Amino acid sequence: NAGVTQTPKFQVLKTGQSMTLQCAQDMNHEYMSWYRQDPGMGLRLIHYSVGAGITDQGEVPNGYNVSRSTTEDFPLRLLSAAPSQTSVYFCASSYRDRGVVDTEAFFGQGTRLTVV
Amino acid sequence: AQSVTQPDIHITVSEGASLELRCNYSYGATPYLFWYVQSPGQGLQLLLKYFSGDTLVQGIKGFEAEFKRSQSSFNLRKPSVHWSDAAEYFCAVRNTGFQKLVFGTGTRLLVSP
Repeated sequence: NAGVTQTPKFQVLKTGQSMTLQCAQDMNHEYMSWYRQDPGMGLRLIHYSVGAGITDQGEVPNGYNVSRSTTEDFPLRLLSAAPSQTSVYFCASSYRDRGVVDTEAFFGQGTRLTVV
Repeated sequence: AQSVTQPDIHITVSEGASLELRCNYSYGATPYLFWYVQSPGQGLQLLLKYFSGDTLVQGIKGFEAEFKRSQSSFNLRKPSVHWSDAAEYFCAVRNTGFQKLVFGTGTRLLVSP
């Protein structure tokens, strides 16, 4: 089925460890983004990409890296995990509506990350 | 900077009753507005969006929303709530076509029998 696939669904890390959250979409969308969701704070944008080879920072980029070598994949790397990065992470894929408005229409099911 | 306020953290509605979830945004020009729903353990699903034109927009699952520029609001409505509508609802705004999406903090809807 078409959509956004995130792996893993759950992960526990020790402080200081690194890991990569995977995100893949098969809809040929140019725009992809990563959000974190924390209780009472809604979703906050971490990084986004408007196409292969192009990435930019969102609202809360510190401690995270991204790259976009292909249209399909947009991995999120935690460089040195900290307890403050305990959160649920969502990847989103967007199409350009009417040629002018990016619409985050497809979200992955999320990765629940705990840093101890 | 643009922002979104969802003043109700929780709302409880009886099954079959009508629903209105409030959303206010802060932005000078006409924004692009979205409503999403999130069921427990799931990602977000797009319910509807407003870009321009008719201020009353229809979405999936029987939801609609009305853009009111004078009140800077984009409230979500449903005439008759079903138990399966229990979920968390997020309003979001984008100030231009290509800028980042800003989410509200969400409203959790509980449906009582």
